[in-house]
Amino acid sequence: NAGVTQTPKFQVLKTGQSMTLQCAQDMNHEYMSWYRQDPGMGLRLIHYSVGAGITDQGEVPNGYNVSRSTTEDFPLRLLSAAPSQTSVYFCASSSGGIQPQHFGDGTRLSIL
Amino acid sequence: AQKVTQAQTEISVVEKEDVTLDCVYETRDTTYYLFWYKQPPSGELVFLIRRNSFDEQNEISGRYSWNFQKSTSSFNFTITASQVVDSAVYFCALTPSGGSYIPTFGRGTSLIVHP
Repeated sequence: NAGVTQTPKFQVLKTGQSMTLQCAQDMNHEYMSWYRQDPGMGLRLIHYSVGAGITDQGEVPNGYNVSRSTTEDFPLRLLSAAPSQTSVYFCASSSGGIQPQHFGDGTRLSIL
Repeated sequence: AQKVTQAQTEISVVEKEDVTLDCVYETRDTTYYLFWYKQPPSGELVFLIRRNSFDEQNEISGRYSWNFQKSTSSFNFTITASQVVDSAVYFCALTPSGGSYIPTFGRGTSLIVHP
């Protein structure tokens, strides 16, 4: 029962570098989302997708890019990393917009 | 716009005490769903409960209970006879039923249960 799998679990980047956080789910869920978690800020939505080929911005989309070519995968790209993007990133999926979300274990990202 | 407020940043109790975590929300939608999630020290996020806006019946699951009051826009979570394993950050969230279904999370309440 893999559920939602995020890779990597930890990453350190230098300012200006780019990278992709991977997210895959094996539950055939249509809805997938990316959140960032910062101390005292709760979970903030970065981007989300309601199905393959469909993505949209959340609350804090600047500096991030997503695509959804398959139902299973929803990668998050940091175009040019900045220290303000240091955070814990969670990917989530659900079978519908009003259904509970299943979260991955998170990626702890540090940008120096 | 919708908003979820968890005014209690941190709560500290001693084992076996009862504790209530508050959640107050704002929304213009007439139909919506409320959620509670738990994030233990290990970091994963675990779904606890979902409640829709038409169902104000309180729910009990073991030591956990939830009180939904539409009149006060609150969806509070009570843990009875708390245990050390209840130590976690708890998040309340609201999702509108319709449109983009974008969820809004509260900032979380950190519960520390001391032995």
